This record gives sequence, C-alpha cells and structure tokens, in this order.
Amino acid sequence: QQQVKQSPQSLIVQKGGISIINCAYENTAFDYFPWYQQFPGKGPALLIAIRPDVSEKKEGRFTISFNKSAKQFSLHIMDSQPGDSATYFCAASMQHSGAGSYQLTFGKGTKLSVIP
Amino acid sequence: DTGVSQDPRHKITKRGQNVTFRCDPISEHNRLYWYRQTLGQGPEFLTYFQNEAQLEKSRLLSDRFSAERPKGSFSTLEIQRTEQGDSAMYLCASSLALGEQFFGPGTRLTVL
Repeated sequence: QQQVKQSPQSLIVQKGGISIINCAYENTAFDYFPWYQQFPGKGPALLIAIRPDVSEKKEGRFTISFNKSAKQFSLHIMDSQPGDSATYFCAASMQHSGAGSYQLTFGKGTKLSVIP
Repeated sequence: DTGVSQDPRHKITKRGQNVTFRCDPISEHNRLYWYRQTLGQGPEFLTYFQNEAQLEKSRLLSDRFSAERPKGSFSTLEIQRTEQGDSAMYLCASSLALGEQFFGPGTRLTVL
C-alpha cells in the first residue's frame, strides 16, 4: 500500500519557468509534510515543510500548497534554474502524538530537469 | 563538518557475506533512523533509535538485519548472509524531538 503518491515521475522545465510537483496521501493521521531534494550520490536534504494548520508556505523560490480536504500537497519552484535539476521527494509523518518514531513515508520521487 | 556521516560510502560484497555500516549522527541529536533506498524509489523506513533504545522496526527489516546504537552515539547496521535483493543505498538520518531529519550521504551496497 503506497501511502504517499507522487507525480509526475519526471519533469522537464525551461529555465525561468515554474516547476510543479504533486503529492497525495491516504493516512489522515499525517501532520507533517516535508519536501526533500536529492542530488545523485547524495542523501536527501530538506527544502521546505508544512503542517496542516496552514494552506501555503513560501521560502524563497519554493512554495508548498496544502489542501487538507483533498489530502493533497504540492511543491512549486518559481524561476526554475539548471541548478535545481535533481530528484524531489515529498514525504509525510505523524508527529502530533508526541510519541513514536516520526518516521517519514516518502513518495517515489520526481526527477526534475531544468534546461537552459 | 557537523553533519551526519556514514561509512563506508560504497561497499561491494559477494552473496552470502556479512556487511556492517556505520552512521555518526549530529552530536546533539537523540533520534536516529535507518532508511533503505532502491533505484528510482523514495527512501523506506527500516528502524528507529531514541538514544540507545531501538524503539521501532519496519517489517522490511528481516532477521538477517540487526542494528545497534551503543551509548546513544553512533549506530551500526549489519546485514548477515547478504542477498542480491539487499543491493540498495542505506541512509542514516538524525533529528531532535520534532522537525527536520538530517540525512547522511548514504552507503551504496552492491551484492554480486
């Protein structure tokens, strides 16, 4: 059972364009939704994260939009640059209980290529 | 460098051999996680430590896998009698109580 579904699998965007990656989750107990960026041969690095009490969070060129009723969230990368070319993963975890592992459940990833 | 470190970065082994990986978390982080990532997939949770206690294990962690975190510092992940299906990137992450998990660079295991 895939608890976090991510699309598209790959994305090609021209420099300066907007990259949009979507995720949908099934478990309504999830309450922390991070996006990670991974370059080849490296571990994932946190880009931006959101909790369900807000519908949008913006950090620089990166914005998360969150729709609790639809159980969906998305990453928007504005003014995409060739250096943004990487694989992006959405993830989710349960943190509200104050106990437990807070393990992350990841989507399958989106390979983004930004062409000059 | 005060990030999460992992050793070795690459390991090639023959089927049936035992391998051990090491993770050194960020020093003040009491939570430590192991994940496995196969090609074209997102990381999958394997196990979790809070200080020295192993509090959660995934069903992915078969009996051939064992992990330790003596004294709540570094952690080791051992795979006994490796199989070709064990070939993957093994990622370690650490965190404080809530919030960001910081990942290490991973250990790439290839089982021939």
